[in-house]
This record gives sequence, structure tokens and C-alpha cells, in this order.
Amino acid sequence: SQTIHQWPATLVQPVGSPLSLECTVEGTSNPNLYWYRQAAGRGLQLLFYSVGIGQISSEVPQNLSASRPQDRQFILSSKKLLLSDSGFYLCAWSVGPSGNTIYFGEGSWLTVV
Amino acid sequence: AQSVTQLGSHVSVSEGALVLLRCNYSSSVPPYLFWYVQYPNQGLQLLLKYTTGATLVKGINGFEAEFKKSETSFHLTKPSAHMSDAAEYFCAVSDLGGSQGNLIFGKGTKLSVKP
Repeated sequence: SQTIHQWPATLVQPVGSPLSLECTVEGTSNPNLYWYRQAAGRGLQLLFYSVGIGQISSEVPQNLSASRPQDRQFILSSKKLLLSDSGFYLCAWSVGPSGNTIYFGEGSWLTVV
Repeated sequence: AQSVTQLGSHVSVSEGALVLLRCNYSSSVPPYLFWYVQYPNQGLQLLLKYTTGATLVKGINGFEAEFKKSETSFHLTKPSAHMSDAAEYFCAVSDLGGSQGNLIFGKGTKLSVKP
């Protein structure tokens, strides 16, 4: 069966520090991978998605970036965090075309102080 | 472009009462529709989805939803609420014209269940 792992679960970082959130998927090949951010009362915002190694699409301009160094690994990064980057970050995966189910990781709480 | 509107950011019901969470969508093509549930500090879990075929879809934990094309709705229901149903619920529609495989989510409805 497929599983998704995301870490760290919680993170408290000072403004201006770097960020690295990692996500790996097991039990499937060539998944579509996603990073979402969830802010209170605002639903889920798609940040990045990837359909293959090295292929990253950004949905919103920001100081975050994403990379996919391996087929089932997706990394969310920042060189300098802002207060507004605080939130709940969710990694997710799907296979196949649009319309298929997206499966989510457990999420990472980021607090920028 | 597709969009989703969830009516009511907070819904409160008594244990044993009917749960009704409303979702309306906008789509220029036949939609694929989803309901997810999120328990505190956790990721989202699929409750049910509609793609084609039978318009009444049954999901986990006793939930079901009915696709009504004429009303552009996909409301989520459960006949009798349990305390364990307290969570946030998200309706979503496939982004068929945009990001590969992406879903467009509503802003969520937080369900409270009173004893």
C-alpha cells in the first residue's frame, strides 16, 4: 500500500532563517506531488506541484521554493522565512490524470517568530 | 474555471442529529467532486468522491453526498452525528483545466457536535 511521510511535524523558526520540509511517498511510482499551505479560515492554497523529477510548477509568487530530487521525494524550502510564512503545510500525492484522489500527509506546523 | 463554495464556516449539531454540510460548485465541464475530513492537527482524509455514474455516493464513517447537477450542489449528510465526527470538512472539485491532478478546495466547514 502507499504511504506518505512528511517531516518535521512541528517547527519554530526565527524570521530570516532557512526552511526545509521534506516529504516522501512509498508504494507508488511517478506520482504527482503537491505542497499546500493551510491558514485559518482560508482553506488550502496550492503552493507547488510536480509531475516528475525536476519538474516544478509554482502556483503563487512567494519566497518559498520546491524541489524534486528523486521520483518520490518533494522538498519545500526557503532561504529567509517571513512571519507570514507561518502555517500548516501539507504534502500530498496522486497518480494519473485530473480527477483522481489526492492523498495527504500528516502536515507540518511552521511557526515563524 | 472551477470553484467551490461551502456555506457556513461553522456548523453545530447535537449528538444523534442530522448532519448537513453544504457545498456548491462551479464548473464548465462535468465535475469530479470530493469531500475530505480533517481532524485537529492532522492531514486531510478522503471521505468520498463522485466521478461518474450513481449520483448518491456513500463514503466512510456513515457519510454520503448527492451530486445534483441542476443545483450545482454536492452536499454532505449523515443521519446521526457522533461526537467523533467533530472535525473540519472540505469540499473540492477537480481542477480539470489547470494544475495536473490538482483539486480546488472550499474554505472548509468546522463541525461541532454537542452531547
